[in-house]
Amino acid sequence: SQELEQSPQSLIVQEGKNLTINCTSSKTLYGLYWYKQKYGEGLIFLMMLQKGGEEKSHEKITAKLDEKKQQSSLHITASQPSHAGIYLCGAEKNNAGNMLTFGGGTRLMVKP
Amino acid sequence: SAVISQKPSRDICQRGTSLTIQCQVDSQVTMMFWYRQQPGQSLTLIATANQGSEATYESGFVIDKFPISRPNLTFSTLTVSNMSPEDSSIYLCSVYGQSTGELFFGEGSRLTVL
Repeated sequence: SQELEQSPQSLIVQEGKNLTINCTSSKTLYGLYWYKQKYGEGLIFLMMLQKGGEEKSHEKITAKLDEKKQQSSLHITASQPSHAGIYLCGAEKNNAGNMLTFGGGTRLMVKP
Repeated sequence: SAVISQKPSRDICQRGTSLTIQCQVDSQVTMMFWYRQQPGQSLTLIATANQGSEATYESGFVIDKFPISRPNLTFSTLTVSNMSPEDSSIYLCSVYGQSTGELFFGEGSRLTVL
């Protein structure tokens, strides 16, 4: 089965600092998804990566998938309190798509 | 995009009772997914619900405990049967966007079992 490990499990940063969250798989990733969850709310889709070496950015968040397609990173530049939440990476369980397995999540706090 | 409505948004139930959660999508989708998020944990896939066939359950989940219905391409229900406090979780339904591959989630149903 596909296992995803996220690191760190939790992170506290000062507002304005950069940070990186990693997601590592024991198997090739066919589709890698990043989500954000705030307490009491549904998941918010951030980005999807499929190709080795792919990189996508949205506002101050950049996600990358390595060439071997076994590791992804989520980088936040100049963090703000609004970035606080739980970040989850999810991967398709097989090349048929549609079914996801998730990492354990990274709880991010941004101190003003 | 897909708009997903889940009901109830939250409920408090007594041990031994059952609760059915509804998921309505504003477009026709082939597959609908049910997830569970227990307190302090990440999402876990319960089952995949296909229209016209029995749901496919993940390891650790069985039909007797979590029966699923999928009467048409826009609707599904998940029942949590004979509940115990360990079933207290957020239950989410999810679908894929038809063209983008983006995964959409409902707002979740927060279940507390006393």
